[in-house]
Amino acid sequence: SAVISQKPSRDICQRGTSLTIQCQVDSQVTMMFWYRQQPGQSLTLIATANQGSEATYESGFVIDKFPISRPNLTFSTLTVSNMSPEDSSIYLCSVGDGNTEAFFGQGTRLTVV
Amino acid sequence: GQQVMQIPQYQHVQEGEDFTTYCNSSTTLSNIQWYKQRPGGHPVFLIQLVKSGEVKKQKRLTFQFGEAKKNSSLHITATQTTDVGTYFCAGPLTSGGSNYKLTFGKGTLLTVNP
Repeated sequence: SAVISQKPSRDICQRGTSLTIQCQVDSQVTMMFWYRQQPGQSLTLIATANQGSEATYESGFVIDKFPISRPNLTFSTLTVSNMSPEDSSIYLCSVGDGNTEAFFGQGTRLTVV
Repeated sequence: GQQVMQIPQYQHVQEGEDFTTYCNSSTTLSNIQWYKQRPGGHPVFLIQLVKSGEVKKQKRLTFQFGEAKKNSSLHITATQTTDVGTYFCAGPLTSGGSNYKLTFGKGTLLTVNP
């Protein structure tokens, strides 16, 4: 199992600013995943973060908008840059390789005004 | 592209009634997972099914994996108010090369009238 601490749990931000979300895992993991969940919707994968290499982004998500850091095997950050109201969403980090149980952080509820 | 589809999107039941949500993949899956997300919470793993035709039970919850490993269902018997939440199925779909990404269905929001 894995325990993930994600912060902040929620924030209200002004448009045009940036927010960095942090996730700390209690064990070393190869891959970490960042998801976005818009209100009442499913989880959409933003990117996969591997330690020591650039993150792999899914279609529709770009590094300039969602830069990711993965400095070691237990930590990752996702930045939401130059925010607009359309970025209001829940952002979740996760570990799990798709063939085993996935564990999620508590989520960051972002509102952009 | 590869998809995981789930129906219904919403289900409202009276307490004590049964509930079923269905999941269908466009491709054969090596496994399928089910998660529950309570209102305001994050997804929590319920179960993983791996074998063709597999059936697993957790108290009032019954999970099935189809023979072709492309569909699955979750059935809750005699729902309780504690069952309220969104139930997601998820399967590993290829994301280029040998990498897999966990792809979620749209989820079924279950509400229970006491």
